[in-house]
Amino acid sequence: AQKVTQAQTEISVVEKEDVTLDCVYETRDTTYYLFWYKQPPSGELVFLIRRNSFDEQNEISGRYSWNFQKSTSSFNFTITASQVVDSAVYFCASIAGNNRKLIWGLGTSLAVNP
Amino acid sequence: DAGVTQSPTHLIKTRGQQVTLRCSPKSGHDTVSWYQQALGQGPQFIFQYYEEEERQRGNFPDRFSGHQFPNYSSELNVNALLLGDSALYLCASSGGTDSYNEQFFGPGTRLTVL
Repeated sequence: AQKVTQAQTEISVVEKEDVTLDCVYETRDTTYYLFWYKQPPSGELVFLIRRNSFDEQNEISGRYSWNFQKSTSSFNFTITASQVVDSAVYFCASIAGNNRKLIWGLGTSLAVNP
Repeated sequence: DAGVTQSPTHLIKTRGQQVTLRCSPKSGHDTVSWYQQALGQGPQFIFQYYEEEERQRGNFPDRFSGHQFPNYSSELNVNALLLGDSALYLCASSGGTDSYNEQFFGPGTRLTVL
């Protein structure tokens, strides 16, 4: 079965701190995609990154970075020098095999305080 | 380049009524997926439409139905509304020159059932 687990329900940090959001996935398929989305209070889901199962290279985009480790089935997301505007709910999701639906974690609510 | 649009933004209905939600995909996209997001939860896949046909369906009752038009826009219909149908309904589009696995989300329609 396909499953995504985000064990951290809520995280609160002070501005400029680094923060890592954890994501653990389960799938029997060898081909799959992993995603991170941001959902600010407005409600719209904003796409952050997509990773396929054959590309384990870590990625950095500005203050954001992602660590994909197949050995631990994890796809963690780190925000460096967090800012108040980073406050949102962050979702990890996956698509596996020929499936066409995104399977979502429950999300991690991040609060960055000034 | 217009992104995914949804209408209406908010909707209030009473139990037993029927509702229709609308979605226009991002330009160039031919696939539309619908998700239901209850408060504090991750989105749940309802169904996906491609070439005017339902291609895949999640674990939702037949009260939930949809349609895709030749211009790729889509409707989600919910009959015999229940209190538990209150949620944010998200439409996502994909396809065209973008990867079919990269779904772009609209702002959502917030449905309240009284």
